[in-house]
Amino acid sequence: DGGITQSPKYLFRKEGQNVTLSCEQNLNHDAMYWYRQDPGQGLRLIYYSQIVNDFQKGDIAEGYSVSREKKESFPLTVTSAQKNPTAFYLCASSIDGGGRSYEQYFGPGTRLTVT
Amino acid sequence: AQSVTQLDSHVSVSEGTPVLLRCNYSSSYSPSLFWYVQHPNKGLQLLLKYTSAATLVKGINGFEAEFKKSETSFHLTKPSAHMSDAAEYFCVVSESGGSYIPTFGRGTSLIVHP
Repeated sequence: DGGITQSPKYLFRKEGQNVTLSCEQNLNHDAMYWYRQDPGQGLRLIYYSQIVNDFQKGDIAEGYSVSREKKESFPLTVTSAQKNPTAFYLCASSIDGGGRSYEQYFGPGTRLTVT
Repeated sequence: AQSVTQLDSHVSVSEGTPVLLRCNYSSSYSPSLFWYVQHPNKGLQLLLKYTSAATLVKGINGFEAEFKKSETSFHLTKPSAHMSDAAEYFCVVSESGGSYIPTFGRGTSLIVHP
């Protein structure tokens, strides 16, 4: 079955530690996205990538980093510089329509708790 | 520039009664509009999409939405609510010809009473 996988589902870290969230897709999509979700705030875009080896900052990129070395993979690192990292993180992918918009496919999410 | 406003943060209905979740949008280009559903601690699932074809769009699980350009609205409806419809719903806009990075509404929580 095609889809997006995120691992782990739950992640616990101590304050000051970097942590990397995994996102893999087998949909052959060019575009991939990372979102942060907090209660009552909807989804906020952290980073997105439209092609391998290229990515762009979203609305709340500070304290996060990404890489896109393979089309299938778009890992997100939450660094110690992120002041409030506890949140639900969602990865998504879509066809990159070159100016036309297509629906996004979402992974199941990773809930990160930092204490 | 694009934006989307979901007019209700919470909507409460009884099982078997109609559902209306309201969404207004703003777009400088020809918009694509989407509704997604999210059950607790899950990812988002596409309910339906409008991409400049028919203005009345039918989606999964009996939901539909009507694109009204004059009112800049894309409200989501369902004739009869089911308990399993209880979830968070997101309206999303993106601009074909613009940046086409989607903009999400803040979500509407649908509560269904037995």
